[in-house]
Amino acid sequence: QLQLQESGPGLVKPSETLSLTCTVSGGSISSSSYYWGWIRQPPGKGLEWIGTIYYSGSTYYNPSLKSRVTVSVDTSKNQFSLKLSSVTAADTAVYYCARWSYGGNNHFDYWGQGTLVTVAS
Amino acid sequence: SSELTQDPAVSVALGQTVRITCQGDSLRRYYASWYQQKPGQAPVLVIYGKNNRPSGIPDRFSGSSSGNTASLTITGAQAEDEADYYCNSRDSSDNHVVFGGGTKLTVL
Repeated sequence: QLQLQESGPGLVKPSETLSLTCTVSGGSISSSSYYWGWIRQPPGKGLEWIGTIYYSGSTYYNPSLKSRVTVSVDTSKNQFSLKLSSVTAADTAVYYCARWSYGGNNHFDYWGQGTLVTVAS
Repeated sequence: SSELTQDPAVSVALGQTVRITCQGDSLRRYYASWYQQKPGQAPVLVIYGKNNRPSGIPDRFSGSSSGNTASLTITGAQAEDEADYYCNSRDSSDNHVVFGGGTKLTVL
């Protein structure tokens, strides 16, 4: 059974960089037909796609966040990571990592449990 | 990039049938996927593709699509189906991903 687990600081100061890592277990991050993504959910609000990455390093980002987002992958550790720079209180959210099944039926089939990141001084 | 539009809230009487809809240009090209989210929990995939259910999802959940509109139907809604439901698809013009704003389902 594939499992994803987010990890990283739960508190980040304004203007600093938010950094999270997603560790994949029970399967290889180098599997074809799958991308790996980050999604966030501010308190009381809906889901927002942040970005996705293929094991080769190809990335796609939400245009509204593109200038501040970097997603990277480390196939040797079966991990992928998120960096979001110049954070403000509006970036406070639960951050999820998930597997994106790509092709005819596009969907996020496995999700991490999510991690709350609060931006505050 | 594209947008997906959902009604903010829908209600259904226990045991009745409810349809939750999702509209967007990307749905003319790609199927929607649907997620159920209960308070404090991660989203769970309930429908993907033309009308596919992951293992463990009850068969009262079904999906359909016509033109720019995708629908999630719950036939015989149960109390445990009360949750937020989100649609999602690939963007019509690139490899971006888009979510609908979510629909809060209340089972009366």
